Amino acid sequence: GAVVSQHPSWVICKSGTSVKIECRSLDFQATTMFWYRQFPKQSLMLMATSNEGSKATYEQGVEKDKFLINHASLTLSTLTVTSAHPEDSSFYICSARDPDRRDGYTFGSGTRLTVV
Amino acid sequence: DAKTTQPTSMDCAEGRAANLPCNHSTISGNEYVYWYRQIHSQGPQYIIHGLKNNETNEMASLIITEDRKSSTLILPHATLRDTAVYYCIVRGSGGSNYKLTFGKGTLLTVNP
Repeated sequence: GAVVSQHPSWVICKSGTSVKIECRSLDFQATTMFWYRQFPKQSLMLMATSNEGSKATYEQGVEKDKFLINHASLTLSTLTVTSAHPEDSSFYICSARDPDRRDGYTFGSGTRLTVV
Repeated sequence: DAKTTQPTSMDCAEGRAANLPCNHSTISGNEYVYWYRQIHSQGPQYIIHGLKNNETNEMASLIITEDRKSSTLILPHATLRDTAVYYCIVRGSGGSNYKLTFGKGTLLTVNP
């Protein structure tokens, strides 16, 4: 079945540094990928929609210069958290749209980011 | 996309059926009802979806009322591994409606 691999599964970084999270569709081509953020005991919040070969569409309130999204190929999208601060600590989850799946969406296993 | 309302939490005994309700009174004709679940610290997992008719798969059954304003997800024989947050999502069928918007969901706790 469709598999989305997200890497790393967890990362700890210092304040002010940047962190890159990768999302790969392993057995299908994903023209569209989605990035979510989830704080403890809260629901998933959609951050942005990433389309291969074009600029990402960010949800209201999400800073595009802080959360850089690149979707340069049909199997890879990356999210870079720039100049990370402790308040950016969260669980980041990607999802890829697989047109061959009945439900259309496959989620990665998530990345736990801790900024110290 | 139409908004959904779910109870915050529910309990169920192991081996019994778990019935999770969802209200989506503003759903429109071309919007589907999707159910996902999220086990702690994992990505969401697809369960089932439907438009008008009731649906059943190896995981669950989805019962949609005739007026489509509410639905119920049924896990026929709940196990401890079914403890998770269950999300009911209404989504359109095309264009910008491709994105999934998650509400607060229902925390289902299956007890031994």
